[in-house]
Amino acid sequence: DAGITQSPRHKVTETGTPVTLRCHQTENHRYMYWYRQDPGHGLRLIHYSYGVKDTDKGEVSDGYSVSRSKTEDFLLTLESATSSQTSVYFCAISEGRGRDTQYFGPGTRLTVL
Amino acid sequence: DQQVKQNSPSLSVQEGRISILNCDYTNSMFDYFLWYKKYPAEGPTFLISISSIKDKNEDGRFTVFLNKSAKHLSLHIVPSQPGDSAVYFCAGTGGFKTIFGAGTRLFVKA
Repeated sequence: DAGITQSPRHKVTETGTPVTLRCHQTENHRYMYWYRQDPGHGLRLIHYSYGVKDTDKGEVSDGYSVSRSKTEDFLLTLESATSSQTSVYFCAISEGRGRDTQYFGPGTRLTVL
Repeated sequence: DQQVKQNSPSLSVQEGRISILNCDYTNSMFDYFLWYKKYPAEGPTFLISISSIKDKNEDGRFTVFLNKSAKHLSLHIVPSQPGDSAVYFCAGTGGFKTIFGAGTRLFVKA
């Protein structure tokens, strides 16, 4: 199994509070991704990173920001959480872009009340 | 605009029979397709892929078929086993972004 961990695994928070999710990899892969999984929508890309300090937006980036200060860590921040951001969040990594297999972390279940 | 569609939310199959999961796509730029499998409380894991220059790729019990003219692909599992019960995601990519379908939940009955 690819070495990917996510923390926390579960979080309940209130509307308007900031939330940061962490993804940590031990594979030294260049690309890192944040997805959200919702019923009927599958996996939707929020943001991705193609190197330290290099990030770009995905399909559903509004309300989210990311940072990557080290190869192994990719942080997802909800500046002011809303109920629509209640979801399961997955981090993924890959050596290359697009056609390369992505390896997913175990997920973080976030509930915004 | 759903570029990758899995129109069957769920599928139930008897153990030992064939499972066929379908996927349609609209983006003509996709040239590579992947299937991922997901168990509850776990992240998705890669299952099998196919390049657009092929129409079939096989790996053990799993075969993916691609019909480019119809923009359709399917995943065949033969024979189906109870351990195959999971959510299966189809994904397409043109080299940049990977777009996932909504998933199909497969139930394999013993």
